[in-house]
Amino acid sequence: DTEVTQTPKHLVMGMTNKKSLKCEQHMGHRAMYWYKQKAKKPPELMFVYSYEKLSINESVPSRFSPECPNSSLLNLHLHALQPEDSALYLCASSQRSGRANTGELFFGEGSRLTVL
Amino acid sequence: AQTVTQSQPEMSVQEAETVTLSCTYDTSESDYYLFWYKQPPSRQMILVIRQEAYKQQNATENRFSVNFQKAAKSFSLKISDSQLGDAAMYFCAYGVQGGSEKLVFGKGTKLTVNP
Repeated sequence: DTEVTQTPKHLVMGMTNKKSLKCEQHMGHRAMYWYKQKAKKPPELMFVYSYEKLSINESVPSRFSPECPNSSLLNLHLHALQPEDSALYLCASSQRSGRANTGELFFGEGSRLTVL
Repeated sequence: AQTVTQSQPEMSVQEAETVTLSCTYDTSESDYYLFWYKQPPSRQMILVIRQEAYKQQNATENRFSVNFQKAAKSFSLKISDSQLGDAAMYFCAYGVQGGSEKLVFGKGTKLTVNP
């Protein structure tokens, strides 16, 4: 199984709503990532979890709240978002260490978020 | 700080022809990885090819090959026998081996394949 699965694929929310994006991988990877991607732009790193602990927060506004319940799951909780937060949110995972570590990120298909 | 530069925002190629996408990077590290990722309109980022900096031999994956020039900090991607399915955004990326989990991405090159 070499997949990273993200749900939902599409999400429309108002600025006062609370919603969550979910990501799951079963490759035994120990690092998981959230990226934000605007149209025709490269992905921008938001958060990294390494061995289920938050290791990188790229100064993301607190209206985005990540959570890593276990080594296979990653959530992104959304609250009081702004229209400019509309984007594709990509989850990725990687093998953090050991012989299998190739540095490669495995990406999910993304969740397309629209904030009204 | 590490940076990755893709100087070609858009490229086009005729089907069955060869095209080369350029990428340069800046780093003071000696051990690192370089990647080319493909993102078709369906949006999932897929690894095309990777190169470890300590390896002198250029990586090859079927129709995809790289020209890795470590001293020049250049990492170009050559696509041979281009196919319609190769149309996508291509991102060059850099990562430090054994270091931070962060990948640094270039701004991307949009490749169009003409029939």
